[in-house]
Amino acid sequence: DTEVTQTPKHLVMGMTNKKSLKCEQHMGHRAMYWYKQKAKKPPELMFVYSYEKLSINESVPSRFSPECPNSSLLNLHLHALQPEDSALYLCASSQDFVLRRSSYNEQFFGPGTRLTVL
Amino acid sequence: SQQGEEDPQALSIQEGENATMNCSYKTSINNLQWYRQNSGRGLVHLILIRSNEREKHSGRLRVTLDTSKKSSSLLITASRAADTASYFCATVLNTGFQKLVFGTGTRLLVSP
Repeated sequence: DTEVTQTPKHLVMGMTNKKSLKCEQHMGHRAMYWYKQKAKKPPELMFVYSYEKLSINESVPSRFSPECPNSSLLNLHLHALQPEDSALYLCASSQDFVLRRSSYNEQFFGPGTRLTVL
Repeated sequence: SQQGEEDPQALSIQEGENATMNCSYKTSINNLQWYRQNSGRGLVHLILIRSNEREKHSGRLRVTLDTSKKSSSLLITASRAADTASYFCATVLNTGFQKLVFGTGTRLLVSP
């Protein structure tokens, strides 16, 4: 299984709502990532989890709260978002977060959740 | 902040023609990767080239890397309509960690 799954595919929420995005992989990868991508722009890294611990937070506002319940699952909890947070949210995983000559450093991406904040 | 600038921003060609996309970056890298994205969906890894490599092939893809000029190119030969997508280069810096920094992307349209 070389697939990263994300749910939901689409999400529309108001600024006062609380919602969660979910990501799952069963490739035994130990690094998982959240990216945000605005229209016609490249993905921007938000968070990195390595061995279920938060390794990188790219100065993301606290209204985005990541969670890694186990090595296969990654959640992104959303609360009090702004309309400018509307974007495609991509999850990815890789074998490891540490660069090793012996490992293949490819990231596998999920299809994304298209989020609209009203 | 993005590391890579790509050109052209958009490229329109006919099926059977070759497509070349270029990526320039700013700081020294461990490796450079190319990804494809269809219609605002997930990205698919195409090819990785390490900083000590100059050229790499995978099927109809050819990637070059010139570390002295801090640039890379992706060539797609004998393009097909199914190659229509956005293509991003992504660099991994020499920090010891696999943190991707994406370039601005090239939107490729291949017409039948």
